[in-house]
Amino acid sequence: EAQVTQNPRYLITVTGKKLTVTCSQNMNHEYMSWYRQDPGLGLRQIYYSMNVEVTDKGDVPEGYKVSRKEKRNFPLILESPSPNQTSLYFCASSRRQGAGEQYFGPGTRLTVT
Amino acid sequence: AQSVTQLGSHVSVSEGALVLLRCNYSSSVPPYLFWYVQYPNQGLQLLLKYTTGATLVKGINGFEAEFKKSETSFHLTKPSAHMSDAAEYFCAVSDENQGGKLIFGQGTELSVKP
Repeated sequence: EAQVTQNPRYLITVTGKKLTVTCSQNMNHEYMSWYRQDPGLGLRQIYYSMNVEVTDKGDVPEGYKVSRKEKRNFPLILESPSPNQTSLYFCASSRRQGAGEQYFGPGTRLTVT
Repeated sequence: AQSVTQLGSHVSVSEGALVLLRCNYSSSVPPYLFWYVQYPNQGLQLLLKYTTGATLVKGINGFEAEFKKSETSFHLTKPSAHMSDAAEYFCAVSDENQGGKLIFGQGTELSVKP
């Protein structure tokens, strides 16, 4: 089954404790992206990657890192989480940019206390 | 810069009534437009998209949307609401100048009353 998987689905952590949210897709998509969803703001892009070893900042990259060492994986790293990073995070992938449909993972709900 | 505005953060309709969710966009180039649906505790699922060609686009679950360039709108409609349509709906435009990222509207939560 074609899908985007994220782990963990739920995470509660404390300020400053490094964490990684994994994202994997099995559709051989080149384009992958991370979004955060906050009430009243819709989804905003954090980082995106157009291919292996190619990443770029989205609209809200501060406090986040990403890497793309393999085509299927695109982890999101929070080196020193803060309470304002409490949010719902989605990973997405697509065959190509623009008109290509983006497939979304199930989401990771992160709470930073 | 491209942007998307969804009118109404919450829309409530009766079962069997018309569903109309409004979306206006701004874009300096011909846009790619999308509607996504998010059911509780799930990711986003594509309802329909407009890229080129026919301006009336049909999607899944009986939804359709019409691209109106003169009005910069891409409103989502369904003739008869079903209880299972209750969800949050997002309109989005693809920004070709920024790697094709999706720019989302704020979302509209649809409630369906029995």
